[in-house]
Amino acid sequence: DAGVTQSPTHLIKTRGQQVTLRCSPKSGHDTVSWYQQALGQGPQFIFQYYEEEERQRGNFPDRFSGHQFPNYSSELNVNALLLGDSALYLCASSPGPGLAAYEQYFGPGTRLTVT
Amino acid sequence: SQQGEEDPQALSIQEGENATMNCSYKTSINNLQWYRQNSGRGLVHLILIRSNEREKHSGRLRVTLDTSKKSSSLLITASRAADTASYFCATGGQNFVFGPGTRLSVLP
Repeated sequence: DAGVTQSPTHLIKTRGQQVTLRCSPKSGHDTVSWYQQALGQGPQFIFQYYEEEERQRGNFPDRFSGHQFPNYSSELNVNALLLGDSALYLCASSPGPGLAAYEQYFGPGTRLTVT
Repeated sequence: SQQGEEDPQALSIQEGENATMNCSYKTSINNLQWYRQNSGRGLVHLILIRSNEREKHSGRLRVTLDTSKKSSSLLITASRAADTASYFCATGGQNFVFGPGTRLSVLP
């Protein structure tokens, strides 16, 4: 049973560019959440997708957008990259919506470096 | 601002000793969860304690929750070098908020 997978593992982009990160949830899970984790900090919630719709959103600008596909996989898009967007981006899946209703299973993350 | 705050920020102990980490939060919660993260990788869920529970055990882990003090503690007994990691509490309510974490080092 595959856990949560994320791609790519590492990514280097230049300021102003756009990036797309991908996530496949754990088998049997239909809800995907995205987090940003700066070095030395705890993860910060970006948004959660369920039934192909954004259900909840944290305090992130519209430059951060996402998508969920019918197979429950998800993408995180970040436009107009800033140096401050450099972070580890974590995807988590759960068997239902609601941030606190279920334990979340995390992927290994994508480390994004913006230069 | 983050709701959960772990204390201490860093903890260094010898193998075999117990490690205690604390988490304080500010508003009412539905539950509180503890996660472990090894070397900047993905987080691993350790334990979930609901707001109507006071204590929960899982193997060498013991979590307590005091809603009147808005605090929780995570105790790891008989620590091992493999327990070296960052530990985060996350509070669940309207949002899901992680604290900055406690970095635990278990020395062999």
